[in-house]
Amino acid sequence: DAGVIQSPRHEVTEMGQEVTLRCKPISGHDYLFWYRQTMMRGLELLIYFNNNVPIDDSGMPEDRFSAKMPNASFSTLKIQPSEPRDSAVYFCASSLGLAGARQYFGPGTRLTVT
Amino acid sequence: KNQVEQSPQSLIILEGKNCTLQCNYTVSPFSNLRWYKQDTGRGPVSLTIMTFSENTKSNGRYTATLDADTKQSSLHITASQLSDSASYICVVRGQGGSEKLVFGKGTKLTVNP
Repeated sequence: DAGVIQSPRHEVTEMGQEVTLRCKPISGHDYLFWYRQTMMRGLELLIYFNNNVPIDDSGMPEDRFSAKMPNASFSTLKIQPSEPRDSAVYFCASSLGLAGARQYFGPGTRLTVT
Repeated sequence: KNQVEQSPQSLIILEGKNCTLQCNYTVSPFSNLRWYKQDTGRGPVSLTIMTFSENTKSNGRYTATLDADTKQSSLHITASQLSDSASYICVVRGQGGSEKLVFGKGTKLTVNP
């Protein structure tokens, strides 16, 4: 299994531009999570899906952030418009089940907004 | 407020030595506690998951302990190797209808030859 796949691995964009991060979860997993990691705040859960349905988006910082999961094998996290404070590493993770289930993380997308 | 505090923030040890990382939490009610290892530039990898009823869980040279009464957990690494150099993150899940995860800031471990 290829594991969780994220693209791009690195993204540099100017403030105000739209950014789209992509994730392909492990086949067969029914939960997908989006995280953000910064030095100051550590890891934060942004949103998670169960069977393609958003369950909890309370971690999404602002309306500029949106996430979709059109099918079981693909999800996007979009920031529009982007701001310098959005600079962080964004991780996607997937799991089979929720409580107690092991989450498998992707390699992350390092976003820099100038 | 639900919090997870890890100590020390960073630690440097010599290869072959043992070390213990600490995690104190205030999350209540508690569901489970996870330890992750995160290599530089990579995503976290799960080491252990412990529930309320578990006191100790091992994964090779890694042993996690949990005291649910004092809300403390530790991760003990035995006979450290250079490849153990990483950040170790403690994550506590509360109970509830959704995934209420509280993350520690991590301990950065450096193992020197």
